[in-house]
Amino acid sequence: NAGVTQTPKFRILKIGQSMTLQCAQDMNHNYMYWYRQDPGMGLKLIYYSVGAGITDKGEVPNGYNVSRSTTEDFPLRLELAAPSQTSVYFCASSYTGGHTDTQYFGPGTRLTVL
Amino acid sequence: AQTVTQSQPEMSVQEAETVTLSCTYDTSENNYYLFWYKQPPSRQMILVIRQEAYKQQNATENRFSVNFQKAAKSFSLKISDSQLGDTAMYFCAFMSRNTGNQFYFGTGTSLTVIP
Repeated sequence: NAGVTQTPKFRILKIGQSMTLQCAQDMNHNYMYWYRQDPGMGLKLIYYSVGAGITDKGEVPNGYNVSRSTTEDFPLRLELAAPSQTSVYFCASSYTGGHTDTQYFGPGTRLTVL
Repeated sequence: AQTVTQSQPEMSVQEAETVTLSCTYDTSENNYYLFWYKQPPSRQMILVIRQEAYKQQNATENRFSVNFQKAAKSFSLKISDSQLGDTAMYFCAFMSRNTGNQFYFGTGTSLTVIP
């Protein structure tokens, strides 16, 4: 299993540009998550999904959109990039209702908005 | 809302010694899970240990163990025989099934193991 994969690893955007951060998992997990990590801070939940076709807002959803058309993929969309969105973005996945709820994280995407 | 507090921004320990990282949390839930994650310079988040709130026995994973005090809402991580590879940021996290399995993370403790 590849686990959780994220692309790209690094990206620089200009203010107002848009982009999609890709996330995929091959563990047949129902739950998927997007977090952002600002320097010196813990992770903040942006959006999460409990299954294909279902998404919900987390703590800091403004400026982002998500979709979950398949179990495997959970892309994060930035429509109008702003400097405040400069951060490291982590995607994660987990089982649902099973004996373990450990979240498995991807390697992260470092995004800079100039 | 759930909150997770890590009051030690930075800590250091001599190689082969023992260190304890603190974590407290606030919740009204009764069915929840607690985790310690490690984030080395590579930035990948790695699960260190997990604890189910309904279990009284403290979780252990090799050199890593926790001291879970449910009434006090405390969840500290003890690292024994510290190794240079333990140098990393450590995050305490809380998760409850009643909030859609959302994770809440503390701000982290930067641990440096000194040779």
